[in-house]
Amino acid sequence: QQPVQSPQAVILREGEDAVINCSSSKALYSVHWYRQKHGEAPVFLMILLKGGEQKGHEKISASFNEKKQQSSLYLTASQLSYSGTYFCGTEIGGAGGGNKLTFGTGTQLKVEL
Amino acid sequence: ETGVTQTPRHLVMGMTNKKSLKCEQHLGHNAMYWYKQSAKKPLELMFVYNFKEQTENNSVPSRFSPECPNSSHLFLHLHTLQPEDSALYLCASSPRVTYGYTFGSGTRLTVV
Repeated sequence: QQPVQSPQAVILREGEDAVINCSSSKALYSVHWYRQKHGEAPVFLMILLKGGEQKGHEKISASFNEKKQQSSLYLTASQLSYSGTYFCGTEIGGAGGGNKLTFGTGTQLKVEL
Repeated sequence: ETGVTQTPRHLVMGMTNKKSLKCEQHLGHNAMYWYKQSAKKPLELMFVYNFKEQTENNSVPSRFSPECPNSSHLFLHLHTLQPEDSALYLCASSPRVTYGYTFGSGTRLTVV
C-alpha cells in the first residue's frame, strides 16, 4: 500500500520554509526521499533507517518517526532550485518487506521570487 | 547524466509490435529496478534484480518481460502492449538493496 504524502502541492516565496509529510499504514524499515524536476530523472536526496533519526542535506533535512510510521522532509530558506516534485519511498519492515520500495503520490513544490 | 543510461528516450509503438528498452549502469551497483511512471500516479515498482537474479515481480503482466544478462545491463522486452501501458519507464540502480537509487532519465513510451 502506497504511503500518503501531504500537502499535494505548495507554492513558496524564495527564502520561506516548507514541510512535506509522508505517512504509512505499515511498519517501516526505511524511508527514502527524492526530488524530480520536470522532464528529468528523480534524484536521491536521503535515506533514513532508524526510528527518530534525522538527516540533513544542505538546507534540506528529514526526520523519521518509526512509531508513528511517518517521515517529514524540511526545506529551509527555500531557493528557486528547490522547485520540483518530491517523492517519499517507503520500505516495509518485517517478514515479506524485502527490498520493495513503494513511492507516494508526490508533492509539487514551486519556489517563486 | 546520472550514471544510469536509458535508451531510447522516446518510443512509439503499435499494439502488435515488439520492442525492447535498454538500461545500462557502470556505477558498480548490484541491484537494478524497473519502475513505471504514469501521469497523476505514483511511481510503480515493476521488477527488481539483485546480482542478476530477479527478486521481485510486482504482478506485472506477461507482455512485459525483463532480462538482466549482467549486473550492468537491464532490458525490458515489450510485446502486444495496450494503450494504457503508455508511460515513462524508469530504470534505477543501487549499490545494494536498501540504499538510495540512481535513476535514469527514462523512456517515454507511447502505444498507439
